[in-house]
Amino acid sequence: DADVTQTPRNRITKTGKRIMLECSQTKGHDRMYWYRQDPGLGLQLIYYSFDVKDINKGEISDGYSVSRQAQAKFSLSLESAIPNQTALYFCATSDEGTTDTQYFGPGTRLTVL
Amino acid sequence: QQQVKQSPQSLIVQKGGISIINCAYENTAFDYFPWYQQFPGKGPALLIAIRPDVSEKKEGRFTISFNKSAKQFSLHIMDSQPGDSATYFCAASVGANAGNMLTFGGGTRLMVKP
Repeated sequence: DADVTQTPRNRITKTGKRIMLECSQTKGHDRMYWYRQDPGLGLQLIYYSFDVKDINKGEISDGYSVSRQAQAKFSLSLESAIPNQTALYFCATSDEGTTDTQYFGPGTRLTVL
Repeated sequence: QQQVKQSPQSLIVQKGGISIINCAYENTAFDYFPWYQQFPGKGPALLIAIRPDVSEKKEGRFTISFNKSAKQFSLHIMDSQPGDSATYFCAASVGANAGNMLTFGGGTRLMVKP
């Protein structure tokens, strides 16, 4: 089984709709991240969380919100989706202090019409 | 404004050739430089990483070369294989652990022709 899972894997929605992307991990890591991937721009950090009570904005947080429901679960919400939020979204985890590696989920492809 | 600039955006190499991807950075506080490999339909995965106390790190066919004075680092893939076809991202961060945020380059799509 995958260590970092994301649901849904693909989603098509309409402008103005609220949508939630979910991430779960079985790695036991405290730190979780949400990234957005656009062609030519690499991965940009949206939000990150170092533990359940610690949530921080990344470089492109406008239009997004997050919820850390448990150590293993970190959800990303688009309050009112717009077409330029069409992108590939990745969740990642890392372990505090042991390695510098971030472990990524398989991604969610979101299309906003 | 990208703090880590990656080139080229795409690269085609013949099987057995050398693939070279370059990255340049501005922030002199960066002290950790990983490369991630992403196959279609998958999330990125750590390939190899270097810290600025060494100028080169080699793992199998993959080598990172680091030039601190020029603020540049590069990935070399020796004897490139079709299975190496993927998107490669360089990244950089400040601090001793992954809690410090990674800043990614724009990515390079590598195709290795048989």
